[in-house]
Amino acid sequence: SQQGEEDPQALSIQEGENATMNCSYKTSINNLQWYRQNSGRGLVHLILIRSNEREKHSGRLRVTLDTSKKSSSLLITASRAADTASYFCATVLTGGGNKLTFGTGTQLKVEL
Amino acid sequence: NAGVTQTPKFRVLKTGQSMTLLCAQDMNHEYMYWYRQDPGMGLRLIHYSVGEGTTAKGEVPDGYNVSRLKKQNFLLGLESAAPSQTSVYFCASSPRGRFGYEQYFGPGTRLTVT
Repeated sequence: SQQGEEDPQALSIQEGENATMNCSYKTSINNLQWYRQNSGRGLVHLILIRSNEREKHSGRLRVTLDTSKKSSSLLITASRAADTASYFCATVLTGGGNKLTFGTGTQLKVEL
Repeated sequence: NAGVTQTPKFRVLKTGQSMTLLCAQDMNHEYMYWYRQDPGMGLRLIHYSVGEGTTAKGEVPDGYNVSRLKKQNFLLGLESAAPSQTSVYFCASSPRGRFGYEQYFGPGTRLTVT
């Protein structure tokens, strides 16, 4: 079963706009991670936020975590065409070692 | 560093045939994982290993076997392939850590079972 569910499933924006993706999960987590997947490629790690953190930044990426609502959001500012990809959230459950449980992903398309 | 590599990149099997997918990592990571990705879905964990000589089942282990004889290699075997195993298979590795670390993924193997 999928632990995380991303919303929206698909998002289309213009270059320069911000893109926001949301992830909800069901059970207590140790940390939550976001990954990017370009078409036909492997996944690339973007950012990891631990359960005791509320916000984290990395370049144009901003991730928030609300453990009371069991949700996270990924904001990409000033989007570029090269950001076109699928984005997945993945959770490490409390007591779950380092096993990741992935959501279904958001397909982002950034148009010129 | 090559990171995580997977062999082969593509394969077509007939129902009932067997094959082995090879994953290799050169980052000295303790943990290794095999996932499958089907259209419209995220990755699902098949099997994983927390160290040389150890393996454990993930979410969808049926029809697959694994071995970790060397720390840098993790093999995924299909003994009798079925059309339901048509998928893209990803291997990943990560350091060992109590609170979890990022995983490093290979480029994937696209398998079709006819």
